[in-house]
Amino acid sequence: DVKVTQSSRYLVKRTGEKVFLECVQDMDHENMFWYRQDPGLGLRLIYFSYDVKMKEKGDIPEGYSVSREKKERFSLILESASTNQTSMYLCASSAGLYNSPLHFGNGTRLTVT
Amino acid sequence: QKEVEQDPGPLSVPEGAIVSLNCTYSNSAFQYFMWYRQYSRKGPELLMYTYSSGNKEDGRFTAQVDKSSKYISLFIRDSQPSDSATYLCAMGVTGNQFYFGTGTSLTVIP
Repeated sequence: DVKVTQSSRYLVKRTGEKVFLECVQDMDHENMFWYRQDPGLGLRLIYFSYDVKMKEKGDIPEGYSVSREKKERFSLILESASTNQTSMYLCASSAGLYNSPLHFGNGTRLTVT
Repeated sequence: QKEVEQDPGPLSVPEGAIVSLNCTYSNSAFQYFMWYRQYSRKGPELLMYTYSSGNKEDGRFTAQVDKSSKYISLFIRDSQPSDSATYLCAMGVTGNQFYFGTGTSLTVIP
């Protein structure tokens, strides 16, 4: 079974702090993704990466950056956290082939006060 | 128009009922289709995955795809209280392009 592990289930941070969310997958998947999930808005793609050191902006990249130094690890960085970044953050991975489904981690619930 | 439309519910059924969850889509480029189950405060769990028209069965779950009508369904037989969750449909174009419904909230009443 694919396992996608997010380092924190719950985080509380203050406005202006730099926040790191970490994600590790154990299936040698090419692609990794960061989404945020908000009630009524569904899942929105922040960034994805198709290879080490490669990244592509998703639909809502503003205020975020990412890092992928190793194939199995993908980090999301909030440069200066704001209250409107309070959300559920979901990391996911896929094998990178055509017709390969997404596998999600258990999410990090981030609250910015 | 959204790429993927999914009725948000909520849907409430008695234990043992057959549940039907549906999504429609507009983009004929979608190649493969997924259903996820998401419990409260957890990440989505992949339930079913298919890339062809027709039915795919796994235990009490059946995924149905009709590409000509751009319509997909998930059927749950003999529904259980443990099936109470939000169900998300998703569609893929390539290995790194995915589109999601907003989810249907299901409650199975004992």
